[in-house]
Amino acid sequence: NAGVTQTPKFQVLKTGQSMTLQCAQDMNHNSMYWYRQDPGMGLRLIYYSASEGTTDKGEVPNGYNVSRLNKREFSLRLESAAPSQTSVYFCASSTRGNQPQHFGDGTRLSIL
Amino acid sequence: QKEVEQNSGPLSVPEGAIASLNCTYSDRGSQSFFWYRQYSGKSPELIMFIYSNGDKEDGRFTAQLNKASQYVSLLIRDSQPSDSATYLCAVVTNAGGTSYGKLTFGQGTILTVHP
Repeated sequence: NAGVTQTPKFQVLKTGQSMTLQCAQDMNHNSMYWYRQDPGMGLRLIYYSASEGTTDKGEVPNGYNVSRLNKREFSLRLESAAPSQTSVYFCASSTRGNQPQHFGDGTRLSIL
Repeated sequence: QKEVEQNSGPLSVPEGAIASLNCTYSDRGSQSFFWYRQYSGKSPELIMFIYSNGDKEDGRFTAQLNKASQYVSLLIRDSQPSDSATYLCAVVTNAGGTSYGKLTFGQGTILTVHP
């Protein structure tokens, strides 16, 4: 019962470094999402992929890029990390956009 | 006006009581409504979803939807200390009839159930 798997679980970066957050789901879902969660700001959508081969910007896309590698995998890349990107990042998936989303355990990212 | 607003917390109820969590949304085109529970340091967990006006019951949980009033609520009966968590209301609006619907979360209500 893996569901949505995110790696890594924790990461500390220095300003300017780059990294990729990985996400994979085994539920044969079409849609996948990346959110960030900050205290007082709730969950905010960064990017989403409605189906394999498509990606679109969400509410807070600046500073991020994504790749929908195949139906199972959706990665989030920080090209040049900034302290403002310190957050908890969640990946989620759903069968379609109006169906319930299932979340991974999250990646806790700190940028110094 | 925020797209999805939840009643301000934190909410504290005694064990065994009914906890009532409320949520209003601004877009009349909203079609799907979800309640997530999030324990501290954990990811959101889906506990209820509702698409039609009226009540939907699942165990101790009841979701209520009133589209005319743009209001959705979650009732937790016989509240237990293990129900202590942040509850997130989430609303989907289909964007132009595409398969993707934007999911917007409320800020969350912190519930504490004390013995």
